[in-house]
Amino acid sequence: GAGVSQSPSNKVTEKGKDVELRCDPISGHTALYWYRQSLGQGLEFLIYFQGNSAPDKSGLPSDRFSAERTGGSVSTLTIQRTQQEDSAVYLCASSLRHKNRDTIYFGEGSWLTVV
Amino acid sequence: DQQVKQNSPSLSVQEGRISILNCDYTNSMFDYFLWYKKYPAEGPTFLISISSIKDKNEDGRFTVFLNKSAKHLSLHIVPSQPGDSAVYFCAASARSGGGADGLTFGKGTHLIIQP
Repeated sequence: GAGVSQSPSNKVTEKGKDVELRCDPISGHTALYWYRQSLGQGLEFLIYFQGNSAPDKSGLPSDRFSAERTGGSVSTLTIQRTQQEDSAVYLCASSLRHKNRDTIYFGEGSWLTVV
Repeated sequence: DQQVKQNSPSLSVQEGRISILNCDYTNSMFDYFLWYKKYPAEGPTFLISISSIKDKNEDGRFTVFLNKSAKHLSLHIVPSQPGDSAVYFCAASARSGGGADGLTFGKGTHLIIQP
């Protein structure tokens, strides 16, 4: 597709279960980012991937969160042993390069509700 | 400690009038500022940006003003249209940061355009 694609669009899970969120970036974009937006909060940076370099995981809130990017394209964000405070919309974004001035394109988000 | 602040969670403006969205920042290292627009159930989309070497950038109905001494920027929309109703996020980036991982977002302002 032409834009960043995320799945699932909505996920309700029980506390303690693991969830996987998927992101398909725009074709040809080498940089991929995960953000999350909790209720009443701004966009919180989680992790980014640039080409084949090691990802910058500095924004991940705990070791229950991990992400991988296979083949420089699709990325999966995994949350283990989900907690209620993990409820948020998880946004994936991509840009042509990992540069300030490159426009970042966001997906529509995966809405996660932990009950 | 919020480095980017949007102190108005919501703003209501009559159609045809000017909408002014404000953003304050505390980090003097920020040198690049962006505005993103977000409709419900969609990811944010890039709207307009400004570098710290400028104090104004205009794109159609949208103008961003930067006051570095006051660490303040504002987005003006003239004239406001019903389709402008959305949440607007202010974001900032520091010289040492590159790419979207260096972006710090505000909490957003929900703009409502009244017919």
